Amino acid sequence: DAGVIQSPRHEVTEMGQEVTLRCKPISGHDYLFWYRQTMMRGLELLIYFNNNVPIDDSGMPEDRFSAKMPNASFSTLKIQPSEPRDSAVYFCASRSLENTGELFFGEGSRLTVL
Amino acid sequence: DAKTTQPPSMDCAEGRAANLPCNHSTISGNEYVYWYRQIHSQGPQYIIHGLKNNETNEMASLIITEDRKSSTLILPHATLRDTAVYYCIVSGASGGSYIPTFGRGTSLIVHP
Repeated sequence: DAGVIQSPRHEVTEMGQEVTLRCKPISGHDYLFWYRQTMMRGLELLIYFNNNVPIDDSGMPEDRFSAKMPNASFSTLKIQPSEPRDSAVYFCASRSLENTGELFFGEGSRLTVL
Repeated sequence: DAKTTQPPSMDCAEGRAANLPCNHSTISGNEYVYWYRQIHSQGPQYIIHGLKNNETNEMASLIITEDRKSSTLILPHATLRDTAVYYCIVSGASGGSYIPTFGRGTSLIVHP
């Protein structure tokens, strides 16, 4: 398997624009997590899904952020409108109930909002 | 999830063992200890995990104290490529009990 795949790897946009980050989890994994990493706040859990259903979105900073998982092989994290403080690296991770809890992370999407 | 405490930074000479401590005094009976590391600009990478017994794999060894309130990750022969931030996480292993929350971790610098 190719691992967790995220796109784009880098995104530079202007304040107010819509940003969509994409994630393809490892095939067969039934949990998907979105994290955000900044120097100030470290690695924060934003939302996670189980079998495509959002379970806990308490980490989503505000209504400008939304996440979907329309099927087992695809998830999106959308920011609309984007703000400079949203600049961060966004990681997607997945895991399977059949393993013993280890997460597999993608390489991240580095977002810069000007 | 139980809170963990790790030193913010450590350093180690190349070829020597790196011993990274983690305190998790509020760990509950069904919670595992997981270790991950993050090399600069990459996604975190799973290293090892354990419940009660010491564990060893090709990357590292994990020593868990008998009372399970602390653990140590051991890199037996550190190399420059082991320079990274190491995260200790305590969590259930399955279902809704597994909500992996990362702290600040320990920044390990391996020097020549």
